[in-house]
Amino acid sequence: SQQGEEDPQALSIQEGENATMNCSYKTSINNLQWYRQNSGRGLVHLILIRSNEREKHSGRLRVTLDTSKKSSSLLITASRAADTASYFCATDAYSGYSTLTFGKGTMLLVSP
Amino acid sequence: SQTIHQWPATLVQPVGSPLSLECTVEGTSNPNLYWYRQAAGRGLQLLFYSVGIGQISSEVPQNLSASRPQDRQFILSSKKLLLSDSGFYLCAWIPSGGGYTFGSGTRLTVV
Repeated sequence: SQQGEEDPQALSIQEGENATMNCSYKTSINNLQWYRQNSGRGLVHLILIRSNEREKHSGRLRVTLDTSKKSSSLLITASRAADTASYFCATDAYSGYSTLTFGKGTMLLVSP
Repeated sequence: SQTIHQWPATLVQPVGSPLSLECTVEGTSNPNLYWYRQAAGRGLQLLFYSVGIGQISSEVPQNLSASRPQDRQFILSSKKLLLSDSGFYLCAWIPSGGGYTFGSGTRLTVV
């Protein structure tokens, strides 16, 4: 079953603008991860935030986590055309072993 | 260096034919290995995971099976493919740091 639900399903912006994607989940987690997938390719890990963390940065990426609301957001600042891809959040409940449960993703289109 | 290999990249198979997809990891030992499937326009669904040789956990009952004959080899199989088995199959493992590393995927079309 799918735990994470991304919002919006699709997002279209211009280069230089910021892109914000949201993710909601249902059960307790050990960590939450964001991945990027270019069309027809495998997934690339972007960032991991643990349940005891509230915010994390990596380059132009900023991730927040609110465990009380069971939600996370991914902010990409100063978007580039190369950021065009689908973005997925995935939760790891770690009940003995690590397994990821993915949402359906947000398709981001950045126009030049 | 640590790398993951998955093949083939694309596969077109008739209904009722067998399937074998292979995934190998290099540069590590005793990795946790995973098979995910992605249907068109959807997120990834965990199919199987393995924490060691011969140890397979199935997440979703279906027409597929998995095996781990060697420490760094993970195989996804089917005896008779169904149309509903079509999808994008991804193998993954966890290097240190917690984030998963995915293979490049196999696009399976059952016709």
